[in-house]
Amino acid sequence: AQSVTQPDIHITVSEGASLELRCNYSYGATPYLFWYVQSPGQGLQLLLKYFSGDTLVQGIKGFEAEFKRSQSSFNLRKPSVHWSDAAEYFCAVDNTGTASKLTFGTGTRLQVTL
Amino acid sequence: DAGITQSPRHKVTETGTPVTLRCHQTENHRYMYWYRQDPGHGLRLIHYSYGVKDTDKGEVSDGYSVSRSKTEDFLLTLESATSSQTSVYFCAITRAGSYEQYFGPGTRLTVT
Repeated sequence: AQSVTQPDIHITVSEGASLELRCNYSYGATPYLFWYVQSPGQGLQLLLKYFSGDTLVQGIKGFEAEFKRSQSSFNLRKPSVHWSDAAEYFCAVDNTGTASKLTFGTGTRLQVTL
Repeated sequence: DAGITQSPRHKVTETGTPVTLRCHQTENHRYMYWYRQDPGHGLRLIHYSYGVKDTDKGEVSDGYSVSRSKTEDFLLTLESATSSQTSVYFCAITRAGSYEQYFGPGTRLTVT
């Protein structure tokens, strides 16, 4: 069965610092890959996705992610974090090719200090 | 905004009582999903639907049933609620051709 690992439960960064959130998946083929963000008390918002092609994908709010097949990773990055980025971030994978069955990681909570 | 609403948004119920959560969408999407979110587990798929009267089980379907009698509504029923079903429940849809899931605002359910 496919699985998604987000090894960092909680990360704290200073405002203006760079950010990298890790995501590793376990699956034979290249799945569809997603990053979602959840602000407290809110639903999930799609940040970006990777289906194929260029391994560096750009998303909303200044986020980007890089797919590395050799490492089975899809890490999320942002060059300069803003206080409003404090939230929980979820990596998700889909191996159906239709986004009909997403498997989510357990999430990484980001705290931003001023 | 994918035009998804969930009702109720908050509910407290007692163990053993039946509970139905409603997901309503206004954009005629074919695929709809129910997830539960629990600390340390992320989101886990309960059931999903790929059309009217077409549903299938997800990862954590025990104790839950679903129905979809019309395109816009996807109902999640807990026949006899247990404390382990205390959770936040999210509905989602997939936009045709986008291969992306969009989520509703969630329903916080507490079973006492």
